[in-house]
Amino acid sequence: QKEVEQDPGPLSVPEGAIVSLNCTYSNSAFQYFMWYRQYSRKGPELLMYTYSSGNKEDGRFTAQVDKSSKYISLFIRDSQPSDSATYLCAMSANYGGSQGNLIFGKGTKLSVKP
Amino acid sequence: DAGITQSPRHKVTETGTPVTLRCHQTENHRYMYWYRQDPGHGLRLIHYSYGVKDTDKGEVSDGYSVSRSKTEDFLLTLESATSSQTSVYFCAISDDEKLFFGSGTQLSVL
Repeated sequence: QKEVEQDPGPLSVPEGAIVSLNCTYSNSAFQYFMWYRQYSRKGPELLMYTYSSGNKEDGRFTAQVDKSSKYISLFIRDSQPSDSATYLCAMSANYGGSQGNLIFGKGTKLSVKP
Repeated sequence: DAGITQSPRHKVTETGTPVTLRCHQTENHRYMYWYRQDPGHGLRLIHYSYGVKDTDKGEVSDGYSVSRSKTEDFLLTLESATSSQTSVYFCAISDDEKLFFGSGTQLSVL
């Protein structure tokens, strides 16, 4: 079993839909959870950063962590064509310092149709 | 891209030739990283640096070396490029909490 599993998609939704993106993980030591957005031919950009369990909201984006189920989600409300990108989850056990211990999912490709 | 410049943006080279990719940051962050991204594998860490002249290996370091002689520059060298090193290479920097990526270098080894 890989440490982080993420459905690669592709996921296609109509504009305005609520999108749910998910990752599961096996290492119970993970405490820091991130979502990155990557547009085609660009580097990943940090979208959401959460610590431990719970929810975090930023505009149309909500990140949710369920450590008991080892499951994290990213919800996008009122999705827009500009949200079309690949979304990568990432997680680590340790705070800051070297991020050489950051583990990435393989990414889910999202397409939002006008 | 968070004050990170990667050069070159694209490179085509032949098997067996040496290749050096450069990452330059203007953020004065302590930590710098080199990742490669391949279909089906996602992002994988090659090497990272936690200070000038301080580097360590990542998950896929074989065939790669790095150097960091200044805080702002982190070089990735392929001593003798192979076709399996065809990939998109990303430099990243960290402010001790979050990771920020450059725009990437597309490398093709023919």
